[in-house]
Amino acid sequence: AAGVIQSPRHLIKEKRETATLKCYPIPRHDTVYWYQQGPGQDPQFLISFYEKMQSDKGSIPDRFSAQQFSDYHSELNMSSLELGDSALYFCASRPTSGISYLEQFFGPGTRLTVL
Amino acid sequence: GNSVTQMEGPVTLSEEAFLTINCTYTATGYPSLFWYVQYPGEGLQLLLKATKADDKGSNKGFEATYRKETTSFHLEKGSVQVSDSAVYFCALSPRANSKLTFGKGITLSVRP
Repeated sequence: AAGVIQSPRHLIKEKRETATLKCYPIPRHDTVYWYQQGPGQDPQFLISFYEKMQSDKGSIPDRFSAQQFSDYHSELNMSSLELGDSALYFCASRPTSGISYLEQFFGPGTRLTVL
Repeated sequence: GNSVTQMEGPVTLSEEAFLTINCTYTATGYPSLFWYVQYPGEGLQLLLKATKADDKGSNKGFEATYRKETTSFHLEKGSVQVSDSAVYFCALSPRANSKLTFGKGITLSVRP
């Protein structure tokens, strides 16, 4: 079965650089969520999109922005990177109908390291 | 606001031991409750879920019952295996389209 795809899987950046993380949801899933998981921490919600519109916003820094495109893939753009941005970034997608409509399906994550 | 509290870890058990991981929550209304598992170096996988009071979620020998009166969703397994070694997260979602709020997670290590 198709799963959520995230790219890249690993990313190393220097402080003050920018990074773009991509997420390709499961086909026919129109809701995408982004989470940040620091080392040894629980995942924290950043932002979500439904039908290409932002649906909810969590503790996302102003240096970060995100969008969902017409093909439902999503990108998380991070600028002026800081050491504290080093984390595992998860994308999850969810269908809006069917027996799994309550479930969020997670991708493998992108590990961002800021040096 | 919504929150999830998990018991402190880590937990180390011998193979075939009984497992209980406690989880309590704070939320208004009737949230959906989830257990996610994260194996080393991997993403989060849904282990089981329950959407209303007294529902029992089960999968791979794991069970958890949605207890509204005690606001709890404790995870249990009768006989753990080495392959169950992972980090376990309890989570809630207040509405169908809402973000997940996770507990701190607990690391389970199972010895042969």
